[in-house]
Formats: sequence, C-alpha cells, structure tokens
Amino acid sequence: AQRVTQPEKLLSVFKGAPVELKCNYSYSGSPELFWYVQYSRQRLQLLLRHISRESIKGFTADLNKGETSFHLKKPFAQEEDSAMYYCALNSGNTPLVFGKGTRLSVIA
Amino acid sequence: DTAVSQTPKYLVTQMGNDKSIKCEQNLGHDTMYWYKQDSKKFLKIMFSYNNKELIINETVPNRFSPKSPDKAHLNLHINSLELGDSAVYFCASSQEMNQPQHFGDGTRLSIL
Repeated sequence: AQRVTQPEKLLSVFKGAPVELKCNYSYSGSPELFWYVQYSRQRLQLLLRHISRESIKGFTADLNKGETSFHLKKPFAQEEDSAMYYCALNSGNTPLVFGKGTRLSVIA
Repeated sequence: DTAVSQTPKYLVTQMGNDKSIKCEQNLGHDTMYWYKQDSKKFLKIMFSYNNKELIINETVPNRFSPKSPDKAHLNLHINSLELGDSAVYFCASSQEMNQPQHFGDGTRLSIL
C-alpha cells in the first residue's frame, strides 16, 4: 500500500538556520512526489513537485529512490516560512496520498 | 478569480442538525475532492469524484453524502451532526486523479 511518512510533527528552527523537513514514502511503482504548504488559516498550496526540479521560495527537494525519500530543504529559514508542510505521493490513477504534515516554526 | 471556492467559510451549528457545504471550481477540472482537517492538522481524504465515478472512503460515516450536480460542483451534505464533526473541510480539484490539486479556502465547521 502507498504510504507517506513525515516523522516530525513539529520542527522549530531559528531564523537563518538551515531547514530540512523529512518525507519518506512507500510505493513499489515509479513515484511522483509533491510538497504542499499551508500558512496560518489559509488554503493548501502546491509548493513544488519533484519532476519540475525547481526552487520555490528558496526551498528544494530531491527525490532519492534508494532511500525512498523526498526531503524538503532550505539553507536559511525565514519567519514567513512558518507553516504546515505536507508531503504527497502520486501513485497512479488514485488520489494523492498525503503525509500527516509537519509544522515548521521559525523563531526570530 | 478564485479557482476553487467553497461556502460558507464558517459554519456554527448545533448537534443533530443537517448542513451543507458548497464547492465550485472554474478550472475545468474533471476531478474534485473533499478533505477533513482535524484539530491536529491531519488531512484526511473523504471523497473523490471523477466526473463519472464517486469514490467513497469507507471510513467516512454515511451521514456524509457528496452531491455533484455537474463536474464543476461537488457539495457536501452532512446529516445529524456530531461533536466529532468539528473540523475544517477543504474542497479541492485536479485535472485528473493523479495531478496536483488546487484547494479551496476551507470551511470551519463548529458543532455546539
């Protein structure tokens, strides 16, 4: 069965420190992965997808098939990065499978 | 123009009542979804509707019934509301089932 695991419920970092939000997936096929972000009391928004290989708001994520991971990284955290982050897996012709989310808190 | 809009934004009601939440998307997408986000921010899919087929999550009580008058709308009707139904409900849509989803602003449902 497809599964997405985000091991950290809460991650607190200081402003300017590097950030890494962990995501591991379980899927036997060829995965497509996404990161969604939800700022306080707002809708979920697509942050990035692995096939586009772009950097959005300074965030990057690389798909590591060997480790079945898709960790989200940013070299220098900013206060406005504080939000809920959800990793999601596309496993074929089924709805996206979301992880339970990680709340990132950037401390000034 | 708002791509996925849902109304109302806030809904406060008493236990036992029946209520509906409406969702409309103007993206021309074929697939729509309802999610429930609880107080711990866990996001759980409730339903997905792919133009022709409604896929029901078996863990959703049958008090919840989605209704789709056309592919641009997927409304959620809830009968006999219970305290545990308090949550934020998000509507979303995507071009196809496995494509990135666009979310609405959410409806915050509070049961008194």
